[in-house]
Amino acid sequence: ETGVTQTPRHLVMGMTNKKSLKCEQHLGHNAMYWYKQSAKKPLELMFVYSLEERVENNSVPSRFSPECPNSSHLFLHLHTLQPEDSALYLCASSQEEGAAYEQYFGPGTRLTVT
Amino acid sequence: GQNIDQPTEMTATEGAIVQINCTYQTSGFNGLFWYQQHAGEAPTFLSYNVLDGLEEKGRFSSFLSRSKGYSYLLLKELQMKDSASYLCAVRDSNYQLIWGAGTKLIIKP
Repeated sequence: ETGVTQTPRHLVMGMTNKKSLKCEQHLGHNAMYWYKQSAKKPLELMFVYSLEERVENNSVPSRFSPECPNSSHLFLHLHTLQPEDSALYLCASSQEEGAAYEQYFGPGTRLTVT
Repeated sequence: GQNIDQPTEMTATEGAIVQINCTYQTSGFNGLFWYQQHAGEAPTFLSYNVLDGLEEKGRFSSFLSRSKGYSYLLLKELQMKDSASYLCAVRDSNYQLIWGAGTKLIIKP
């Protein structure tokens, strides 16, 4: 148990659906992250939030829309996804952003787009 | 471009020692992390190196040579539960984390 929870753990959605992924951290951290993990590929950083402000968006398609209502919660809203978006989506948090602090990961949401 | 190289897969025997290498080419260096990820689970932090040398933590040790752009993770007295993927990540001069694709370690009895 890392102190970071994600729901749902598994999600199957059609290309026309709208769904949201939820992440919550119970560690009192100030920074939160969304990553995409595809098989045999490096983790891809999607979004970074520091104190609820987005500090980075790594050229992610607009069909992925993040939301950070407070420093403990992070959402990833999904709409009109493509099959190549099927992957494991990991949420992480760290004490601060951009410093030598390790990141604590949630268990991920396994997303399948049909 | 920035690049982290790790072997895709390694196999070792229970009770033995295994060394997982990581080489990196990044724009600057502000530390190197090792994470362990069991199948279907979250990556968990193992070690952090920012200075050259060996950091020992129980059965696991991590080594760094900044001049060579090289690190390794050494696992001793291997146990079946050590079967997992091991991820190397480097923080560059902009404090961005650059990740390797991970090394899948298979432990055999």
